[in-house]
Amino acid sequence: DQQVKQNSPSLSVQEGRISILNCDYTNSMFDYFLWYKKYPAEGPTFLISISSIKDKNEDGRFTVFLNKSAKHLSLHIVPSQPGDSAVYFCAASVVMNYGGSQGNLIFGKGTKLSVKP
Amino acid sequence: EAQVTQNPRYLITVTGKKLTVTCSQNMNHEYMSWYRQDPGLGLRQIYYSMNVEVTDKGDVPEGYKVSRKEKRNFPLILESPSPNQTSLYFCASSLSYRSIAAGELFFGEGSRLTVL
Repeated sequence: DQQVKQNSPSLSVQEGRISILNCDYTNSMFDYFLWYKKYPAEGPTFLISISSIKDKNEDGRFTVFLNKSAKHLSLHIVPSQPGDSAVYFCAASVVMNYGGSQGNLIFGKGTKLSVKP
Repeated sequence: EAQVTQNPRYLITVTGKKLTVTCSQNMNHEYMSWYRQDPGLGLRQIYYSMNVEVTDKGDVPEGYKVSRKEKRNFPLILESPSPNQTSLYFCASSLSYRSIAAGELFFGEGSRLTVL
């Protein structure tokens, strides 16, 4: 069963407009959520994260919003730039105890963002 | 330069021919992990290691083996590769599993494996 879901495989946005990437999760034990960005022929790189005790985290053009009651988070990119074109992965983590899969990241399937000039 | 290095970057092999994908990090990280990326399935964890001589299965460990005899290296072994193991593989490392939630999981550039 998929615990982290990104239901939109792709998103196309005009340069300068807002990009909104969505992510849903099912496990209420997740306590951190992260967004990773991946360019072709490169490994994923960390973009921004949010703790489950917060509802918003902002870093420059990137803002992540968390709605715990809806088990939903979103990444907003404003303004979008052509260089933002990449695959974005939502990931979740439970950092509580050693053992099992604690502390590991569970990734969504990714959303391919295309920002057109 | 701090990095995670994987080799080979590209490999075409045949069913049943044992192969090893190497992974090395120069950051003295305790935690290392292997993921595979497949179209429509995202990144799925194969195996991870909390420290030397400590390894555990991830979500899709079948058909793979790993070892962690020294801190810097975490090879992925396919004893008898099959076509369903054709994928893009990523190695990743972190100072510790507790650093992962802070975004401190660093990925290698990937190894594209094709099994005919």
